[in-house]
Amino acid sequence: GEDVEQSLFLSVREGDSSVINCTYTDSSSTYLYWYKQEPGAGLQLLTYIFSNMDMKQDQRLTVLLNKKDKHLSLRIADTQTGDSAIYFCADGGSGRGSTLGRLYFGRGTQLTVWP
Amino acid sequence: GAVVSQHPSRVICKSGTSVKIECRSLDFQATTMFWYRQFPKKSLMLMATSNEGSKATYEQGVEKDKFLINHASLTLSTLTVTSAHPEDSSFYICSASGAYTDTQYFGPGTRLTVL
Repeated sequence: GEDVEQSLFLSVREGDSSVINCTYTDSSSTYLYWYKQEPGAGLQLLTYIFSNMDMKQDQRLTVLLNKKDKHLSLRIADTQTGDSAIYFCADGGSGRGSTLGRLYFGRGTQLTVWP
Repeated sequence: GAVVSQHPSRVICKSGTSVKIECRSLDFQATTMFWYRQFPKKSLMLMATSNEGSKATYEQGVEKDKFLINHASLTLSTLTVTSAHPEDSSFYICSASGAYTDTQYFGPGTRLTVL
């Protein structure tokens, strides 16, 4: 199946920008997602990007997609202590056949924001 | 919109008993629901995919007789862990997607502890 890789930990100071990186292997992926998980909670969809886009911005969040390198990043501007959580990158596959509707998750990046 | 609930949020049971977890889509019709298991510091492991009115499709290595999934309506899916053992203790998360979107919306999760 598709592999999705993320670094496991990231620490930043409050007010700085955070950049969480992700790589994937499926060149036919149609959608790529970022989810946030707070302790003891489910996953919250933060944003997603369609594969024909290079960038998507939504308030403090900026997603960059380099389809050639199969690299996805999530930038959080002006990071706050409330942003501390685990961030999951997910590959939506090609959306066809056996991958229809499936998500392939990375292991998650634990973001810690220091005051 | 796109709210998914799970019940219960936390359950403790004795070894050998069965536990049912409910997943509901509150404001949309979920044609497909997914059940995941999350181990500590690990990513989400897809257990099965269920479509309303049909049998669930289980991932390799997941025992269908142990993890019974029912998706009887467009707003409700249930996961029953039968004859639970301590190794079944985990965080179980469901997600749901509607007919016109591939985006999955996640429930808050259920913490199962088997004594």
